Amino acid sequence: GQQVMQIPQYQHVQEGEDFTTYCNSSTTLSNIQWYKQRPGGHPVFLIQLVKSGEVKKQKRLTFQFGEAKKNSSLHITATQTTDVGTYFCAGTGNQFYFGTGTSLTVIP
Amino acid sequence: NAGVTQTPKFQVLKTGQSMTLQCAQDMNHEYMSWYRQDPGMGLRLIHYSVGAGITDQGEVPNGYNVSRSTTEDFPLRLLSAAPSQTSVYFCASSYRTGQGATYEQYFGPGTRLTVT
Repeated sequence: GQQVMQIPQYQHVQEGEDFTTYCNSSTTLSNIQWYKQRPGGHPVFLIQLVKSGEVKKQKRLTFQFGEAKKNSSLHITATQTTDVGTYFCAGTGNQFYFGTGTSLTVIP
Repeated sequence: NAGVTQTPKFQVLKTGQSMTLQCAQDMNHEYMSWYRQDPGMGLRLIHYSVGAGITDQGEVPNGYNVSRSTTEDFPLRLLSAAPSQTSVYFCASSYRTGQGATYEQYFGPGTRLTVT
């Protein structure tokens, strides 16, 4: 079946440092979505990428979809304590295929 | 709109007991799904539904049943609880999904289940 892997599993950064999480699929994805889950909370949708090579920005967050539509990345510039949480990618098709997530800790 | 609601928030079961986790959405979404979340395992799909009367298995369906008699409700039944089913369960809904168009998923607040 379709598998979506994310690396790293955990990341600790000093506040102000950058952060990147990578998502890789075993098969070509139709679209890819990104979600954020705060500690103790539920996943919340951030963005969807549709086109090959697409890049989208949301303030300090930059999302990329690979040319082959098999990988994606989320980059956060100058992390803040409000960025703490777990970031999930999800490939889409007839169902959603979630990655294993990257847990981000920001040290003040 | 209440969005996606789940009940109960917390539940403790003994091994062998059965129970139903409730999920409802008021957004007229076609797609609904159940996930379980365990440490280090991400979100694993249990069952999903693309519309009333239609359900299908996800990655980890064993030990769980679902039905979708209405657009709004998608209950998850644990037939005979086992300690391995201790987890946090999330229900989610989406306007639609499929190869042609995909929309964001809205998640409920989750049910924390412990089986002793």
